[in-house]
Amino acid sequence: GDSVTQMEGPVTLSEEAFLTINCTYTATGYPSLFWYVQYPGEGLQLLLKATKADDKGSNKGFEATYRKETTSFHLEKGSVQVSDSAVYFCALSDPGAQKLVFGQGTRLTINP
Amino acid sequence: EAGVVQSPRYKIIEKKQPVAFWCNPISGHNTLYWYLQNLGQGPELLIRYENEEAVDDSQLPKDRFSAERLKGVDSTLKIQPAELGDSAVYLCASSYGRSSYNEQFFGPGTRLTVL
Repeated sequence: GDSVTQMEGPVTLSEEAFLTINCTYTATGYPSLFWYVQYPGEGLQLLLKATKADDKGSNKGFEATYRKETTSFHLEKGSVQVSDSAVYFCALSDPGAQKLVFGQGTRLTINP
Repeated sequence: EAGVVQSPRYKIIEKKQPVAFWCNPISGHNTLYWYLQNLGQGPELLIRYENEEAVDDSQLPKDRFSAERLKGVDSTLKIQPAELGDSAVYLCASSYGRSSYNEQFFGPGTRLTVL
């Protein structure tokens, strides 16, 4: 079945550091790919998405590129802020199943 | 615009007791989802509704879990009887349409503790 694997956390960085959170997926079809973020005490929010190969999703300084050849959707940000501290979830949605399949989440802490 | 509303936010019960969670989706969203999120894990789909029809309930443990979405708007998820292993966060989400491209909007969740 479809699955998503994220790099294990927690990840702790200093403010203004470069961030990469790795995400790889397994899917039978051509899924859409998403990054969701969960800030402390809040619900999951969509951060960015990409619907086909080589698409780049971007939002709030975060970027991720849909790489079909490596089945990856790594999340990057050039300069993180304390306010980026949250749990980040990579997810896919297979057109056939029409449901989100999530990775296990990566907790990110940014220190000032 | 109001987001997805869930209640209660927290619930503590003893095992073998029944419990119910309520969800009100974003107005106009015809697709509604219930997810289960165990500690340190990503959410897993329990059931998906399109309007009032449950179109994917393959992951719902039907011996103790039930759900309904009367009139295709609000939804209730019930557990009877609850077990210790049911302690988790129950998330409700909604979307407009059923395309895999469509964004799902999540509520804050109900954190259930079974003692």
